[in-house]
Amino acid sequence: DIQMTQSPSTLSASVGDRVTITCRASQSISSWLAWYQQKPGKAPKLLIYDASSLESGVPSRFSGSGSGTEFTLTISSLQPDDFATYYCQQYNSEWTFGQGTKVEIK
Amino acid sequence: QVTLRESGPALVKPTQTLTLTCTFSGFSLSTSGMCVSWLRQPPGKALEWLALIDWDDDKYYSTSLKTRLTISKDTSKNQVVLTMTNMDPVDTATYYCARMPYSRTFDIWGQGTMVTVSS
Repeated sequence: DIQMTQSPSTLSASVGDRVTITCRASQSISSWLAWYQQKPGKAPKLLIYDASSLESGVPSRFSGSGSGTEFTLTISSLQPDDFATYYCQQYNSEWTFGQGTKVEIK
Repeated sequence: QVTLRESGPALVKPTQTLTLTCTFSGFSLSTSGMCVSWLRQPPGKALEWLALIDWDDDKYYSTSLKTRLTISKDTSKNQVVLTMTNMDPVDTATYYCARMPYSRTFDIWGQGTMVTVSS
């Protein structure tokens, strides 16, 4: 199985901050990576697919980059609605998720 | 508008079999490339993919759980059913179904159904 490791596990930030979350795969997954946002009590929401493609309707302050084994999700200017937990997910071989990164208010 | 909705028991006893139904609308599981998956999330923990069924009735299961899982579909009813045998308290989780075009990302999710395993 391909293991996905996110860092940090928790991130404290303020509105307007630039935020970066890292996801590492245990082996190369090319660009077969997605990012999701999940708020408490809600289902995850797809933000980014193919490592850097923005899902329709997702604000342009979200961006993704990377290939191979290292990937990042960047929020260019954190908004109040962005405080949530973020998960990466690989789809190179089966489907596995990272352990999540909680973005909390500083 | 694409929607999915999970249904099933909120409480099951250890060793029992869990049966969950995903009822969807706004897309067809007979369309080439279309898939539906089941996933779960224990309280406070990460997401875990469980099983997938595609338009051609091919089925894929999590390696760690494959002996306990069965996924099936009823295209005429727009439903996908997951059964999980020999339930244990560690299987307590919110169970989600999600649409998966071309078996890649989970682009639309149901709201989830919480299942507690307890005697």
